[in-house]
Amino acid sequence: QVQLEQSGAEVKKPGASVKVSCKTSGYSFTSYYLHWVRQAPGQGLESVGIINPSTGGTTYAQSFQGRVTITRETSTNTVYMELSRLTSDDTAVYYCARYLTMFGADYWGQGTLVIVSS
Amino acid sequence: DIQVTQSPSFLSASIGDRVTITCRANQGISSYLAWYQQKPGKAPKLLIFSASTLQTGVPSRFGGSGSGTEFTLTISSLQPEDFASYYCQQLNSYPYNFGQGTKLEIK
Repeated sequence: QVQLEQSGAEVKKPGASVKVSCKTSGYSFTSYYLHWVRQAPGQGLESVGIINPSTGGTTYAQSFQGRVTITRETSTNTVYMELSRLTSDDTAVYYCARYLTMFGADYWGQGTLVIVSS
Repeated sequence: DIQVTQSPSFLSASIGDRVTITCRANQGISSYLAWYQQKPGKAPKLLIFSASTLQTGVPSRFGGSGSGTEFTLTISSLQPEDFASYYCQQLNSYPYNFGQGTKLEIK
């Protein structure tokens, strides 16, 4: 069955970086885009960026440009999201999700809580 | 960027009620719209894609309609498990922005 398993919670200081992983299984890794979405406490859903695992090509939301890097490792079917220069506003649950292009995210990871605090 | 505006933000309803949530895009997105349900502490769940196609396993009391700039999610007869937050998402072009969400509460 399709599974997306994310790495565990992180606590970081302002100015630091965080790298969250999303290990996929149960489907052809290169056949579906992976999308990173975050949700601040009590808030809505916000797109961070998206990767085509087949080519490694990425697109990032404007508000994260220059701070986020999404990569993939085809040998382990894993996608990574690294966010740098963290501030308290980056405190959120970060989700990876498998995308059917134009149709939406049909499978999601369990979420990774990132807390940014001094 | 394509912005989507969802309304209402909060909705109070009773078991058995019919409810409707609206999502408006600031430019035409054909039928490239999805609806998600999210319960506290859980990842979102895809309910509807292509504006009106029910995802496998989603009960038939959920329905979606619309195209272009205006879309609706309807729950025909609310069940206890339907009390959650709901989000629309445009999928016409990146960034795939979400609506602000609707929290559906028990009256």
